[in-house]
Amino acid sequence: GNSVTQMEGPVTLSEEAFLTINCTYTATGYPSLFWYVQYPGEGLQLLLKATKADDKGSNKGFEATYRKETTSFHLEKGSVQVSDSAVYFCALSEWRLTDKLIFGTGTRLQVFP
Amino acid sequence: DADVTQTPRNRITKTGKRIMLECSQTKGHDRMYWYRQDPGLGLRLIYYSFDVKDINKGEISDGYSVSRQAQAKFSLSLESAIPNQTALYFCATSESGTHEAFFGQGTRLTVV
Repeated sequence: GNSVTQMEGPVTLSEEAFLTINCTYTATGYPSLFWYVQYPGEGLQLLLKATKADDKGSNKGFEATYRKETTSFHLEKGSVQVSDSAVYFCALSEWRLTDKLIFGTGTRLQVFP
Repeated sequence: DADVTQTPRNRITKTGKRIMLECSQTKGHDRMYWYRQDPGLGLRLIYYSFDVKDINKGEISDGYSVSRQAQAKFSLSLESAIPNQTALYFCATSESGTHEAFFGQGTRLTVV
């Protein structure tokens, strides 16, 4: 079945450091890929998405590229801020089949000043 | 006001009690979902509804039931709560074909 695997956390960085959070997926067909972010005490918010191979999603300085050949969608940011501290979830949607979202286990990011 | 509203935000209940979690949305979306979040397990789908007359089980539906009272309302019930149903529960909505889900702020449920 479809699944998403992302790196375990927590990821601990100093402010202005470079961030990578790895995400790989297993899916039949042509999934859309997403990164959601959950700030403390809140629900999940869509951070960025990509709907086909080689698409790059970007938002708030974060980027991720849909790599079909490596089945990956790694999240990157060139310079993190304390306010980026949150839990990040990679997800896929097989919209042609069910339109459900399948989530990874989440990666907690902690950024220190 | 939030587009997706969950009530209550926090609840402590005893084993064996029936409890209902409610979700309402003002986004006009046709699709609604219930997920639970557990540490280290991410979000797992309990039930989903693509319209008022279409209810489907997710990957962990045992012990839960749902009701789609209207397009804007989707409630989750635990008929007889047990401690391993202690979790953070999220309602979400989406518009068909857009793939983007909008989440409520969550309900923290503790079963003692």
